[in-house]
Amino acid sequence: QQQVKQSPQSLIVQKGGISIINCAYENTAFDYFPWYQQFPGKGPALLIAIRPDVSEKKEGRFTISFNKSAKQFSLHIMDSQPGDSATYFCAGPTFTGTASKLTFGTGTRLQVTL
Amino acid sequence: DTEVTQTPKHLVMGMTNKKSLKCEQHMGHRAMYWYKQKAKKPPELMFVYSYEKLSINESVPSRFSPECPNSSLLNLHLHALQPEDSALYLCASSPPGGGQETQYFGPGTRLLVL
Repeated sequence: QQQVKQSPQSLIVQKGGISIINCAYENTAFDYFPWYQQFPGKGPALLIAIRPDVSEKKEGRFTISFNKSAKQFSLHIMDSQPGDSATYFCAGPTFTGTASKLTFGTGTRLQVTL
Repeated sequence: DTEVTQTPKHLVMGMTNKKSLKCEQHMGHRAMYWYKQKAKKPPELMFVYSYEKLSINESVPSRFSPECPNSSLLNLHLHALQPEDSALYLCASSPPGGGQETQYFGPGTRLLVL
């Protein structure tokens, strides 16, 4: 059962444009919604995360929008730059008391062109 | 120190070899994880250690054997692997608490099984 559905699979955006990636989740036990950024040959790194008690969180050019009733959250990258070209994963964590289990979305390969 | 290190960076092994992957963190995290990532796919959880005890095994074949010698080290012993086990193996750690803690990923070991 795929618990986190991510779209689009790939995205090409011109420099300066807005990149939008969407995720939908099924597991209502998720109570924290992180986005990870992965460059080729590197491990994923936390980019930004949101708790379900807020509808939006902004950090620099990156914004998460969260819609609890629709069970959806999205990542917006404003003024996209070539350095943002990477694969982005949303995730839903479930917690076991002392550790967490991350269920990743399928990933979005973002390419920002000049 | 906010880094998870993994060695080796690359590994080529035959199907009859025995090898080990090593992961280390000095952030005081008490949960450590092994993930497997195939090309163009999200990371898939393999094992979770919490306070040096194995807490989650995602039905991983016994040819993969994890070990957590202390709170800073995590090993993955490999024996009789198959070519389909070729992948990027990622280690991660997270702080204690069981709340909305971030997982910090290492750069991974790229494994090729011949």
